[in-house]
Amino acid sequence: DTGVSQDPRHKITKRGQNVTFRCDPISEHNRLYWYRQTLGQGPEFLTYFQNEAQLEKSRLLSDRFSAERPKGSFSTLEIQRTEQGDSAMYLCASSLRADDTGELFFGEGSRLTVL
Amino acid sequence: QKEVEQNSGPLSVPEGAIASLNCTYSDRGSQSFFWYRQYSGKSPELIMFIYSNGDKEDGRFTAQLNKASQYVSLLIRDSQPSDSATYLCAVNTGRRALTFGSGTRLQVQP
Repeated sequence: DTGVSQDPRHKITKRGQNVTFRCDPISEHNRLYWYRQTLGQGPEFLTYFQNEAQLEKSRLLSDRFSAERPKGSFSTLEIQRTEQGDSAMYLCASSLRADDTGELFFGEGSRLTVL
Repeated sequence: QKEVEQNSGPLSVPEGAIASLNCTYSDRGSQSFFWYRQYSGKSPELIMFIYSNGDKEDGRFTAQLNKASQYVSLLIRDSQPSDSATYLCAVNTGRRALTFGSGTRLQVQP
């Protein structure tokens, strides 16, 4: 399978714990995006990378959130000191094109439940 | 005002009918427009994109764009039960990432 891969698919954690999600984009895709989606809402942009450079961060991304894409390949999204409001589906997407018109290919998502 | 607005639905149409899904956006500088389909429990997948005013057809799907009215629509002809899903409108508003609407849930009744 050469699609976008996310791990873990599901994560249940207690409030205050740290969690980390991993995304492996489609090979050779330059851009990698993180979105968050809650029930009944569309995906909300969190951050994106062009190769290894993090080019934009949403105001939604508080100081508790950090994302990396070392070497421009896979990416990790870490949430520190989780809160119940962090419960959501975290979607990773990648895009081949280096401009803003490309199609996004989404992974199956990592669902986070904070108790 | 939300940047991308959609009626949440559900929009219910009988099998074989035309489903019309609408989307408005606030940024007049927006250049590209996308329709994604999201089945329940699945991730979004692209079904159409449109950059120029007018209509763009792909099989049973037609995307319509009116930049003057800041309006995008998606028509699904001969709707099938398998078309039942949430349809997300996404807009390139000039930032580097797509902005999504909240989606319209479509139900096609057999």
